[in-house]
Amino acid sequence: ELKVEQNPLFLSMQEGKNYTIYCNYSTTSDRLYWYRQDPGKSLESLFVLLSNGAVKQEGRLMASLDTKARLSTLHITAAVHDLSATYFCAVDVTGSGSRLTFGEGTQLTVNP
Amino acid sequence: GAGVSQSPSNKVTEKGKDVELRCDPISGHTALYWYRQSLGQGLEFLIYFQGNSAPDKSGLPSDRFSAERTGGSVSTLTIQRTQQEDSAVYLCASSLAATNEKLFFGSGTQLSVL
Repeated sequence: ELKVEQNPLFLSMQEGKNYTIYCNYSTTSDRLYWYRQDPGKSLESLFVLLSNGAVKQEGRLMASLDTKARLSTLHITAAVHDLSATYFCAVDVTGSGSRLTFGEGTQLTVNP
Repeated sequence: GAGVSQSPSNKVTEKGKDVELRCDPISGHTALYWYRQSLGQGLEFLIYFQGNSAPDKSGLPSDRFSAERTGGSVSTLTIQRTQQEDSAVYLCASSLAATNEKLFFGSGTQLSVL
């Protein structure tokens, strides 16, 4: 059974600081997704990583994938309050994108 | 439409009643998914439709749950004889095609079973 674990589950940080969220998964996969969820809202796609070594950046967020280590990271640079949300990674082992297994989510709070 | 539309946004029902949840995917999206989000279980896959292919129902938790997709567009998730453990947010998502595409999620239906 595929397990997807995120670390940390709760993260409180100050504006301007850097931090990394980790996503480990237990079964071979080269497809990993990051989503953001604001309180009371639905999920918004951030990144789709489709190969070993893939790196994608959008604004203050950068995601990478190491399929050999079964690890993805979401790096936050110079955090701002607007980044406060819950971040989920999700892994696809079907090869078709038809079924995602999500991590527990990392609740990020950026304090002024 | 501009995004994935789900209705109702909130549904309160009594234990033992049947409920129907509706999803209108983004026009032109051939893949449609149902997920469930609850405090205890996180985000769980329920069912997946792709075009005219047989749906992947492997995530449905019991035979009380069923879903259909009519005309390759609108989908309905039906829960029969609801139980309190069915209380959750039911999220629908769609994508252009299943392979390697990001999912666009709707706002969800908050289901509360009393």
